[in-house]
Amino acid sequence: DIQMTQSPSSVSASVGDRVTITCRASQGISSWLAWYQQKPGKAPKLLIYAASSLQSGVPSRFSGSGSGTDFTLTISSLQPEDFATYYCQQASSFPRTFGQGTKVEIK
Amino acid sequence: QVQLQESGPGLVKPSETLSLTCTVSGGSVSSGSYFWSWIRQSPGKGLEWIGFIYYSGSTNYNPSLKSRVTISVDTSKNQFSLRLSSVTAADTAVYHCARRGGGGRAFDIWGQGTMVTVSS
Repeated sequence: DIQMTQSPSSVSASVGDRVTITCRASQGISSWLAWYQQKPGKAPKLLIYAASSLQSGVPSRFSGSGSGTDFTLTISSLQPEDFATYYCQQASSFPRTFGQGTKVEIK
Repeated sequence: QVQLQESGPGLVKPSETLSLTCTVSGGSVSSGSYFWSWIRQSPGKGLEWIGFIYYSGSTNYNPSLKSRVTISVDTSKNQFSLRLSSVTAADTAVYHCARRGGGGRAFDIWGQGTMVTVSS
């Protein structure tokens, strides 16, 4: 299985801050990476697919980059509704696997 | 828009079979563009992909669960289902159904999830 490792596991930030989350795959996955946002009691919501493509309806302050084994999710200016947990997921091979999550908390 | 809704018992006894159904509304499970998935989430193991099914009945399962998992589709009811046999406390989790569609092979639509507890 491909292991997905996110860092940091949590980050404290203020509204307006730029936040970057990193995801590393245990082997190359080309650009087959997705990012999700999850709020308590809710289902994950797709933000980014194919490493850098913004899902329809997702604000442009979210962006993704990377290929191979190293990827980043960036929130350019953190908004109150962005406090949540973020997960990466590889779609390169089976079984599909997820990172352990990064919790973005209010500073 | 397409919505997914899970249903099934919230409590299952150890060694028994967990059975859940996902009802698709606003779209068709028979669409050839999508794969229909089950994903579970527990505090201990995070998000874990269980498997998915194509409308034709073709399946792909997580090897860690393959011996116990069956995913099936009922196109007449616009539903797909999960059966997980011989459950233990380690199978306690929130179970989500999800659609793998759109670009990048990502899960673009999710059900809200249903909590299943394995306990006697």
